[in-house]
Amino acid sequence: DQQVKQNSPSLSVQEGRISILNCDYTNSMFDYFLWYKKYPAEGPTFLISISSIKDKNEDGRFTVFLNKSAKHLSLHIVPSQPGDSAVYFCAASASSSNTGKLIFGQGTTLQVKP
Amino acid sequence: NAGVTQTPKFQVLKTGQSMTLQCAQDMNHNSMYWYRQDPGMGLRLIYYSASEGTTDKGEVPNGYNVSRLNKREFSLRLESAAPSQTSVYFCASSELRTYGYTFGSGTRLTVV
Repeated sequence: DQQVKQNSPSLSVQEGRISILNCDYTNSMFDYFLWYKKYPAEGPTFLISISSIKDKNEDGRFTVFLNKSAKHLSLHIVPSQPGDSAVYFCAASASSSNTGKLIFGQGTTLQVKP
Repeated sequence: NAGVTQTPKFQVLKTGQSMTLQCAQDMNHNSMYWYRQDPGMGLRLIYYSASEGTTDKGEVPNGYNVSRLNKREFSLRLESAAPSQTSVYFCASSELRTYGYTFGSGTRLTVV
């Protein structure tokens, strides 16, 4: 049972436009959400996070939105750059588990065309 | 550079062989994790160690064992490798109950 789902395996956008990556979750105990970015032959690196007490968190060109009622989060990248081309994973955790473990989605491959 | 070091980077095993994947971190993190990445499946948690001296099963623990040797090192062992264990394995570490994982660069394992 996939608790965190990224239903779009891939996304292609033009340089300078907005990229929107989506993620859905099913476990209502999840209260902390993160996005990781992964380049080929490298490990994932942390990008941005959001707590369930917020509905938006912004860091430069990256903004994450959380809709708790819909159990949905999205990552907006504005403007998109060719260097943003990578695989993006969303992840979720339940602080009540007290373990720090993350459940990841399947990933979305973003291609930003020059 | 500080971070998470995984060895080896590549490995080919025959079915039934055993091997241990090594992971070490130098950030004084309490928690360590092993994930596998497969096409269309994302990153799935195999085992984790929330703190030194403890280990617990994740989503896909079957066929694996782990050892938290000390605070720095967390190894993953395949006792009898199977083709279904062909994957890219990532080790990660974090401060206890925080979520900003630092990942290693991965071990690409092929079982033939």
